[in-house]
Amino acid sequence: KAGVTQTPRYLIKTRGQQVTLSCSPISGHRSVSWYQQTPGQGLQFLFEYFSETQRNKGNFPGRFSGRQFSNSRSEMNVSTLELGDSALYLCAPPDRGGLGYGYTFGSGTRLTVV
Amino acid sequence: SQELEQSPQSLIVQEGKNLTINCTSSKTLYGLYWYKQKYGEGLIFLMMLQKGGEEKSHEKITAKLDEKKQQSSLHITASQPSHAGIYLCGAPPGGSNYKLTFGKGTLLTVNP
Repeated sequence: KAGVTQTPRYLIKTRGQQVTLSCSPISGHRSVSWYQQTPGQGLQFLFEYFSETQRNKGNFPGRFSGRQFSNSRSEMNVSTLELGDSALYLCAPPDRGGLGYGYTFGSGTRLTVV
Repeated sequence: SQELEQSPQSLIVQEGKNLTINCTSSKTLYGLYWYKQKYGEGLIFLMMLQKGGEEKSHEKITAKLDEKKQQSSLHITASQPSHAGIYLCGAPPGGSNYKLTFGKGTLLTVNP
């Protein structure tokens, strides 16, 4: 059974740089949500894409952006990295149907900004 | 905005002991998800509860949803070292169908 794949698993960037993270959700899902997890704030919703359009956005600055492709693969981009952007970034197709199998999260990308 | 408070924040138990983790919501629950996470890794879905009074079990883990109390509990029977990790509860705020609000997590350590 194919799962959610996130690449890369680990990434180290320098402050001021930009970064692009990739997420390939389970086939057939037209929606994907991104989350940021930090020790201080916990898991926080970044944004959701549905059919290549951003439909919902969390409380993050414009430096955080994303996109979704026609094959449902998604990318998120963070520009002008800050030390506080160091976090685990997770993606998951939402459980829109409430079918009970849950949001299936990828293993995440661990971003370290130095 | 909805907030989920988990208790305890951390827990150390001896292998074979039972334990309970609680998740209390500041607003009405429209479903409750439980996840387990190994440090630095992705979330592993455990179970989802949708209706008040609902109870689900998987292997030695049982979760219940008390809608009136806006609370869910996760109970582990006869804990094993493999149960160690961070347990997170998540809920769709206002019945949202695109995102979850999460608690801060409960760190479980099981000593052999």
